[in-house]
Amino acid sequence: DTGVSQDPRHKITKRGQNVTFRCDPISEHNRLYWYRQTLGQGPEFLTYFQNEAQLEKSRLLSDRFSAERPKGSFSTLEIQRTEQGDSAMYLCASSARTYGYTFGSGTRLTVV
Amino acid sequence: DQQVKQNSPSLSVQEGRISILNCDYTNSMFDYFLWYKKYPAEGPTFLISISSIKDKNEDGRFTVFLNKSAKHLSLHIVPSQPGDSAVYFCAASANFGNEKLTFGTGTRLTIIP
Repeated sequence: DTGVSQDPRHKITKRGQNVTFRCDPISEHNRLYWYRQTLGQGPEFLTYFQNEAQLEKSRLLSDRFSAERPKGSFSTLEIQRTEQGDSAMYLCASSARTYGYTFGSGTRLTVV
Repeated sequence: DQQVKQNSPSLSVQEGRISILNCDYTNSMFDYFLWYKKYPAEGPTFLISISSIKDKNEDGRFTVFLNKSAKHLSLHIVPSQPGDSAVYFCAASANFGNEKLTFGTGTRLTIIP
């Protein structure tokens, strides 16, 4: 197992377009998290899944954001009608338990 | 509100000396604390953690100290090596790690050869 995989690594999009990111967790991990990191800040929690159930969503996750984890395997994070303020690194992590969980390398989104 | 604070944005330490990174928290519900290390263009990597039932945890060159009364923790790296140069994030969680992590803003550590 090569760890948590995120695709794409980089995405440049025009304001108003929709984007979708994918995360493939470590196969035996039942928990999957999405975080967002902007310049000079630490990662901020967005949402998390236990198996296919989305158990918590941050208030940072506006109605333009939606995350899914069908069948409890990979997850997608979609941002509709992107805004410049959405530019950030989007990090996915997985764990069998919360502490010490494994992060992917992230998807860097630039909205122009 | 910033519930986890790392007040030093950067720190430079001579190779071989001790590096001390500090972190303060405000939320009394936090009972599990972690340190992550991040290199550019990579995700954070777990380094070491400590539960609130302990005041010290050691793993090789890395030791984390927790002062619950002061709501303060620190990471000691000794001896510091050039490969330790990275951004270090302090993170905290409630319910002994079974809740989401709240991160600090990070400290950039530079080890001077």
